[in-house]
Amino acid sequence: QSVLTQPPSASGTPGQRVTISCSGGGSNIGSNTVNWFQQLPGTAPKLLIYSNNQRPSGVPDRFSGSRSGTSASLAISGLQSEDEADFYCAAWDDSLSGYVFGTGTRVTVL
Amino acid sequence: QVQLVQSGAEVKKPGASVRISCKASGYTFSIYYMHWVRQAPGQGLEWMGIIKPSGGSTNYAQRFQGRVTMTGDTSTSTVYMELSSLRSEDTAMYYCARGPYCSGGSCPDYWGQGTLVTVSS
Repeated sequence: QSVLTQPPSASGTPGQRVTISCSGGGSNIGSNTVNWFQQLPGTAPKLLIYSNNQRPSGVPDRFSGSRSGTSASLAISGLQSEDEADFYCAAWDDSLSGYVFGTGTRVTVL
Repeated sequence: QVQLVQSGAEVKKPGASVRISCKASGYTFSIYYMHWVRQAPGQGLEWMGIIKPSGGSTNYAQRFQGRVTMTGDTSTSTVYMELSSLRSEDTAMYYCARGPYCSGGSCPDYWGQGTLVTVSS
């Protein structure tokens, strides 16, 4: 079972802003940086945000991340149809000495 | 460019073992960790463990300890993941992912294309 909790779904119309939350604990998000992954249907996950709020080269600046305490969030501004995907937060967990993923959020563009 | 190419799909009977390979290119293989992550049909991502190919140090998720073995071959830039005593619940897509250092330990960045393992009698 996942250590990090996300809402199962989120949705918006094209152009809207959508925010996804990720709730963890002191041994993971509270102590270490958060990454976000995007998984388009039928494909492998792709790194979207690293170190809480950094975008790898090629990731549009519509995607932004933040962390506060034991929670993190991903925001998608100017939602586009191609953003329909599953999104996962993740972080290293010091207590487990391993990497933990969130439960995942499916974003739907209405 | 960084590439991780995994071996092809496997069909196994319950109780058998499966070994998946992940061949890396486009970066200095020895200085990065490699993660293994799996995803059951319609489910989320599950971390299985990590290996530092140079030196062979490993760290497995508790629920897989005793059943999983990760190894690396620096001469071919390839890592392997073997899962034994397979059961139907092990049917999943298995991914390798490069792991640079990050806060706390190592965090995946580039991912392989995935290997589908089906366990069925």
